[in-house]
Formats: sequence, C-alpha cells, structure tokens
Amino acid sequence: KQEVTQIPAALSVPEGENLVLNCSFTDSAIYNLQWFRQDPGKGLTSLLLIQSSQREQTSGRLNASLDKSSGRSTLYIAASQPGDSATYLCAVRLNYGGSQGNLIFGKGTKLSVKP
Amino acid sequence: DAGVIQSPRHEVTEMGQEVTLRCKPISGHDYLFWYRQTMMRGLELLIYFNNNVPIDDSGMPEDRFSAKMPNASFSTLKIQPSEPRDSAVYFCASSLWSNTEAFFGQGTRLTVV
Repeated sequence: KQEVTQIPAALSVPEGENLVLNCSFTDSAIYNLQWFRQDPGKGLTSLLLIQSSQREQTSGRLNASLDKSSGRSTLYIAASQPGDSATYLCAVRLNYGGSQGNLIFGKGTKLSVKP
Repeated sequence: DAGVIQSPRHEVTEMGQEVTLRCKPISGHDYLFWYRQTMMRGLELLIYFNNNVPIDDSGMPEDRFSAKMPNASFSTLKIQPSEPRDSAVYFCASSLWSNTEAFFGQGTRLTVV
C-alpha cells in the first residue's frame, strides 16, 4: 500500500531564507507527483506537477524535484516571503492495478515565514 | 472553465439528518475524487470515479456514506444518518486523465451538531 510522508510537519523561517520541503513515498509505481498549497480555510491550489519521467519542474521561485527510484521529492522555495505561509502537500498518482489513477496525499508541512 | 464547483460551501445539520454534498467537475475531466479533511487525519480519500464508474470506494467510512455520479458533470456524496464525527471539510477534485494534474474545489465545511 502506497504511503506518503512529509517531513517536517511544521517549519518556521525568517523572510528571505531559501528552504526545502520533503516528501517521500513507498512505492515507485506512480504516474506523477503533484505539490499543492493550502491556505487556512481554503481549498488546495496546484503548484507543480512532475511526471514520473521527469527530474524537476520550475515555476517562479518554486522548484520541485523527483527521484522516483528512491521515492523522494523536494520542493525548493527561494527567497521566502510572508505570503508563502501556508500548508504544502504532496500527492502521488498511482500507476498500478485496481488503484490506477488514485491520488494519495501526505499530511503536509505547515510553513510559516516571519517578516 | 470555472473550475471544480462544490455546494454548499457550509452545512450545519443535526445528528441523524441526511446530508447531500454536490460537485461539478471541470468539463471533460474523466476522473473525480471525494476527500475528507480533518485536523487529526489529514486528507483521506473516500472514493474516486473514472468515466462515472466508481473505481475504489475502500475509503468510505461505513454504510452511512454513499456516492453517485449519474453523469459526467455531476456527483453527490450523501451521509445518512449524519453523526457529529462526520464533521469535516469535504473536497471534490477532478482530472482529465489518470496522469494529469488534479484540481480541487473550495470544499464543503460540514458541521453535525
């Protein structure tokens, strides 16, 4: 059974710092990995999607990497800003058997960027 | 497209009442997911559909929960009878295919008193 883990559960950094959020998964049979952002009381906003054949994706100050063989992904945020404060979730899309297409989430990392 | 649309945004009901949550996926999307989010358990998958057919409902907590997708543009999640422990935010999401980006609705915050 696929399990997705995110460490740390919470992170607090001063404004301007570069930071890395981690996501690990137990089964490499995935179509892709997707990073989301969730603000308090809001829905999930898609940030980046990395296909299983890709190594990384970039969008603005965000860079996500994927190492499928080791079951790891990182989300790098450059020059963090208070507006980046939110919970960041990663999710993998399964590519096997009866669960094909299923989307499994980690529990998220709550990021706080202090001015 | 307006994105994934969920209704209602908020629902407060008394224990024992029937609750129906609604979702309109993005037009043309083949996959539709229902999730439940709580502080304790995070995001839990309840059920997902492919081309209106339920594929995996192993996350549905018990027989009180049921989900339907009568056509490609509408799905419902029903709880009957509702209990206080069902209080949570329920999200619907859709994606075009099994390997494409998933998009979420704004959620329905359910409170059962």
